[in-house]
Amino acid sequence: AQSVTQLDSQVPVFEEAPVELRCNYSSSVSVYLFWYVQYPNQGLQLLLKYLSGSTLVESINGFEAEFNKSQTSFHLRKPSVHISDTAEYFCAVSEKAGGTSYGKLTFGQGTILTVHP
Amino acid sequence: KAGVTQTPRYLIKTRGQQVTLSCSPISGHRSVSWYQQTPGQGLQFLFEYFSETQRNKGNFPGRFSGRQFSNSRSEMNVSTLELGDSALYLCASSPTGGSLEAFFGQGTRLTVV
Repeated sequence: AQSVTQLDSQVPVFEEAPVELRCNYSSSVSVYLFWYVQYPNQGLQLLLKYLSGSTLVESINGFEAEFNKSQTSFHLRKPSVHISDTAEYFCAVSEKAGGTSYGKLTFGQGTILTVHP
Repeated sequence: KAGVTQTPRYLIKTRGQQVTLSCSPISGHRSVSWYQQTPGQGLQFLFEYFSETQRNKGNFPGRFSGRQFSNSRSEMNVSTLELGDSALYLCASSPTGGSLEAFFGQGTRLTVV
């Protein structure tokens, strides 16, 4: 079984400041890692994912996340945030293909990022 | 290309009633997964269907059931509704199953009174 812990439930920052949203996971098998974003009254949108290869993955809107296997972490960072980044962010894991739970996403509790002007 | 469509968007039901939620996946996608989102429990996996077969199931009581039709559309049914079933129900579709290319709908907000 897998579990995901998002260490901060709320993160307030000022516009143009850097931000880091922390995510740690626990799993007895190899996993894929994801960050999703949810705007009010909307579904989830995939922000970025780590499948294999380079441990640093980037999104098209300036976010990046680094997979750290030894620390079982997948923290999300952005060097300069905008008001429009205000949303709830979810870290998630799933077993790699071939596992019995392949296809099931296990989510963290979410981090509400609020960007102030 | 149309996204994942969930209907209805909002629903109010009374305790003890049953409810059916619908999800139309992206054209060509054969896998549909359902998730429940509540403030207390967060996002929890309900089940996944692929080519009309349930492949995975989460830890929910038998009151929660689902099915998938030959056109990949899926329905989720909750019988004997309880107040605690109030939640946002999200559906995700993917081409071949698995989580690598999951696209989520906007959800159905169910309120049980």
